[in-house]
Amino acid sequence: EAQVTQNPRYLITVTGKKLTVTCSQNMNHEYMSWYRQDPGLGLRQIYYSMNVEVTDKGDVPEGYKVSRKEKRNFPLILESPSPNQTSLYFCASSLSGEGPRDEQFFGPGTRLTVL
Amino acid sequence: GQQVMQIPQYQHVQEGEDFTTYCNSSTTLSNIQWYKQRPGGHPVFLIQLVKSGEVKKQKRLTFQFGEAKKNSSLHITATQTTDVGTYFCAGWGRAQKLVFGQGTRLTINP
Repeated sequence: EAQVTQNPRYLITVTGKKLTVTCSQNMNHEYMSWYRQDPGLGLRQIYYSMNVEVTDKGDVPEGYKVSRKEKRNFPLILESPSPNQTSLYFCASSLSGEGPRDEQFFGPGTRLTVL
Repeated sequence: GQQVMQIPQYQHVQEGEDFTTYCNSSTTLSNIQWYKQRPGGHPVFLIQLVKSGEVKKQKRLTFQFGEAKKNSSLHITATQTTDVGTYFCAGWGRAQKLVFGQGTRLTINP
């Protein structure tokens, strides 16, 4: 089944404890991105990647890191999480490597709480 | 930077009434996409509009892209309880990223 998977789905952590949220897609998509969703603010892009080893900042990249060592995986790293990073996070992928020309396939989401 | 504004933020209707959400961009868009997110779920792609003035229909849903490619709308005719959710527009402009509107949350009284 074609899908985007994220792990973990739920995470409660404490300030400053490094964490990684994994994202994997099995559709051979070029473009991958991370979004955070907060009430009243919609979906805001954190980072995106147009291909392996090519990543770039979205609109809210502060406090986050990403890597794209393999085409299928795009982990989101929070080196020192803070309470303002409490949010619902979505990973998404799409076929084209030229930007978001195509429909975005979203993962199920990761609800993160930072105490 | 590019901004996409979506109104209204909330809409409550009686089942059977129509519903419309509007999307406006600060810059000209290459395309606009629409997504639906059911409560507790993830965004799911509905449609993409690319051409100026384009109109597309999916059963009771009608999508329009403005002539200047800076605005769009989604209209649902005769809402049903299955239409409940948050509807997002998302525009692709000059940068290689998709900018989402804030979403319109639709609730329906059966």
